[in-house]
Amino acid sequence: NAGVMQNPRHLVRRRGQEARLRCSPMKGHSHVYWYRQLPEEGLKFMVYLQKENIIDESGMPKERFSAEFPKEGPSILRIQQVVRGDSAAYFCASSPDRLNEKLFFGSGTQLSVL
Amino acid sequence: SQQGEEDPQALSIQEGENATMNCSYKTSINNLQWYRQNSGRGLVHLILIRSNEREKHSGRLRVTLDTSKKSSSLLITASRAADTASYFCATVLVGGSNYKLTFGKGTLLTVNP
Repeated sequence: NAGVMQNPRHLVRRRGQEARLRCSPMKGHSHVYWYRQLPEEGLKFMVYLQKENIIDESGMPKERFSAEFPKEGPSILRIQQVVRGDSAAYFCASSPDRLNEKLFFGSGTQLSVL
Repeated sequence: SQQGEEDPQALSIQEGENATMNCSYKTSINNLQWYRQNSGRGLVHLILIRSNEREKHSGRLRVTLDTSKKSSSLLITASRAADTASYFCATVLVGGSNYKLTFGKGTLLTVNP
């Protein structure tokens, strides 16, 4: 079992560019969660997705951020027109169902905005 | 301010010693979890303790929960160099969803060989 796979591990973008972060959940897991860790802070929940559905996006900034989990392929967290304040580590987690109390996290994508 | 805050921020001990990390939180919880993060890696779930439990063990790990003080502690006994990592507590609030964890900033544990 390969675990939760995130890529890229590091992503550098200039202000105004777009960032796309990918996450493939563990085999057999159909629930994906994105968390963000800003410098000097704990991880914060952003969004919860199932295949083709956004279930809870209460932690997502209202503008420039979007997430999807298509029927085929990985989940994508997309940040448009990045700003320096978007620099953070973005972690994806998965679980087999929404009741599962244990989340399995990927190694994260470190986004740096120049 | 943070729902969960770990204390201390950093801890350095010798191999074989015990390591104790504390976590305080502000709002009533359903459960509290501890995660470990090795440098550059993802978080690994260690142990979950529910609000109606007071103590839980898993191998060399012992977790306590005091809901009256809104605090938890993680004890790692007979530490090893491989235990070097950041340790985070995460809470699920009462009425909250299991996936909406609130994390603290973590304790960086260094175990010297």
